[in-house]
Amino acid sequence: DADVTQTPRNRITKTGKRIMLECSQTKGHDRMYWYRQDPGLGLRLIYYSFDVKDINKGEISDGYSVSRQAQAKFSLSLESAIPNQTALYFCATSDPGLAGGLGWDEQFFGPGTRLTVL
Amino acid sequence: AQSVTQLDSQVPVFEEAPVELRCNYSSSVSVYLFWYVQYPNQGLQLLLKYLSGSTLVKSINGFEAEFNKSQTSFHLRKPSVHISDTAEYFCAVRFMNYGGSQGNLIFGKGTKLSVKP
Repeated sequence: DADVTQTPRNRITKTGKRIMLECSQTKGHDRMYWYRQDPGLGLRLIYYSFDVKDINKGEISDGYSVSRQAQAKFSLSLESAIPNQTALYFCATSDPGLAGGLGWDEQFFGPGTRLTVL
Repeated sequence: AQSVTQLDSQVPVFEEAPVELRCNYSSSVSVYLFWYVQYPNQGLQLLLKYLSGSTLVKSINGFEAEFNKSQTSFHLRKPSVHISDTAEYFCAVRFMNYGGSQGNLIFGKGTKLSVKP
């Protein structure tokens, strides 16, 4: 079974609709992240959470919101989807304890959600 | 601003040829360096990392990368590639901010390696 799962894997929606992408993990990690990947642009950080009560904006948070329902669950919402939010979205987790807090905690990625906004 | 540059968006090579994927970063502050690989229709997986110590780091599948502080580079190399190495490769850097705090992981735009028979 995958350690980091994302649902749905594919979604097509219309402009103006509210969309929620969900991420669950069984790794027991405190830190979770949402990225978007666009062709030729690499990965850009949308939001991250270091624990259930700690949520932070990333590089491109406008138009997105998140909810950390539990240590294992981190959801990304698009309140009113627009076409330029069409992208591949990845959830990731990490555990700084594995790196002794030294900053090299490996991020483990989910399989991605391909979102198309028409 | 801190940034990561992967100079080549696509690198086509023939099987068994050597390959180098280039990565440069912008800042002279302390850094942690990573290469991630993304196989088709999959998420990213850590390939190798540089934290400290020896500037040459190696992965289990024959890739290696060398940290060059003076050139702020972390190029990825493999002496002989296989068809199965076809994937997109991302360089990522965590910059250590002044005062000792750690920044977020910043990714390059990726290099698509295409290995042809």
